[in-house]
Amino acid sequence: DAGITQSPRHKVTETGTPVTLRCHQTENHRYMYWYRQDPGHGLRLIHYSYGVKDTDKGEVSDGYSVSRSKTEDFLLTLESATSSQTSVYFCAISPGVGREGTIYFGEGSWLTVV
Amino acid sequence: QKEVEQDPGPLSVPEGAIVSLNCTYSNSAFQYFMWYRQYSRKGPELLMYTYSSGNKEDGRFTAQVDKSSKYISLFIRDSQPSDSATYLCAMSLSSNTGKLIFGQGTTLQVKP
Repeated sequence: DAGITQSPRHKVTETGTPVTLRCHQTENHRYMYWYRQDPGHGLRLIHYSYGVKDTDKGEVSDGYSVSRSKTEDFLLTLESATSSQTSVYFCAISPGVGREGTIYFGEGSWLTVV
Repeated sequence: QKEVEQDPGPLSVPEGAIVSLNCTYSNSAFQYFMWYRQYSRKGPELLMYTYSSGNKEDGRFTAQVDKSSKYISLFIRDSQPSDSATYLCAMSLSSNTGKLIFGQGTTLQVKP
């Protein structure tokens, strides 16, 4: 298994509260990503990072922010959780350009917003 | 209209059958095409990767890309119960393949 650890793996939170999900990698890969997976939508990119302190938005970034202060850690924050953010969140890593196809996913974080 | 369309199934086949999974897409600029397998409550794992049009074979799995028809396929020969999973197609515009566009996945059940 690729060295990706997501935490927490499961969380229930209340509407309006901030939530932070953490992705930790031991592969020293440059690129890190946060995807969400919902029925009928497959996986959709939220934000990604191409280096320390270098991040950019994906397809569904509204209501989310990210930070990457170290190569190994990529944090996803729901600033004020809403029920529409109930989902499964996957972190992914990749060595970067030129290593086509070598993207590895974590095991997922199940988030329920009530 | 979604950029990538994939029939969610479920698809149920007997053990040993040949399975055909398909995706269509609308953006002709996609260059990299992938198939991921996802077991229940697990992360997706990469099965097959193809650049541009053509076929690629890996054991019991064959991936085909037809860019003229905007159609990709995954064939599984001699299917096994352990192949029961959700299969996701994905594609990207550039070699930074972490920025992927996914189909919604097809659930496959292989019955013993």
